Amino acid sequence: EAGVVQSPRYKIIEKKQPVAFWCNPISGHNTLYWYRQNLGQGPELLIRYENEEAVDDSQLPKDRFSAERLKGVDSTLKIQPAELGDSAVYLCASSIRPSSYEQYFGPGTRLTVT
Amino acid sequence: AQTVTQSQPEMSVQEAETVTLSCTYDTSESDYYLFWYKQPPSRQMILVIRQEAYKQQNATENRFSVNFQKAAKSFSLKISDSQLGDAAMYFCALTTTSGTYKYIFGTGTRLKVLA
Repeated sequence: EAGVVQSPRYKIIEKKQPVAFWCNPISGHNTLYWYRQNLGQGPELLIRYENEEAVDDSQLPKDRFSAERLKGVDSTLKIQPAELGDSAVYLCASSIRPSSYEQYFGPGTRLTVT
Repeated sequence: AQTVTQSQPEMSVQEAETVTLSCTYDTSESDYYLFWYKQPPSRQMILVIRQEAYKQQNATENRFSVNFQKAAKSFSLKISDSQLGDAAMYFCALTTTSGTYKYIFGTGTRLKVLA
């Protein structure tokens, strides 16, 4: 069974530039999560999807961050414009359903904003 | 609000020895799940073990076991017969069953395994 796939693995951009991250969850997993992990910290939830619906985006900085999961499968997280403080690892995770409680994580995208 | 605290930023253990990583948490919910995740340098988080709060029996997975003290809100991870491949960041996490399904992670403990 293929795991959660994320791309790119690494991205370096200048501040004020846009950037996008892509995630393909495990097949059959209806729930998809985006997390941000700052250096030396644990992951923090940005947004959770149930199929194509964003059911928890309370921690997503909506002025510059956006996300979509149009067909309820893969998802894109975008930052526009990026700021220096956005440098972090962006993790995607999926689960069969939220009540399964067990999440499967992708390898993450390390973003560096210069 | 839920919180998870890992007070050991870094731990070291000799290969084949036993090490215990500490985690304390706080929640007002009566039903919740606790997890230990491992994050090797490649960054892919892997579930190590999970504990349902309503179960009194401590969870075990091969060389990994937990000491769940519900009254003390403590959830430690014991790794027996440590191996070089156990070297990683270990994160303790909490999620409640009340419907938000939000994981709260601790700040992690970096485990070094010495040959």
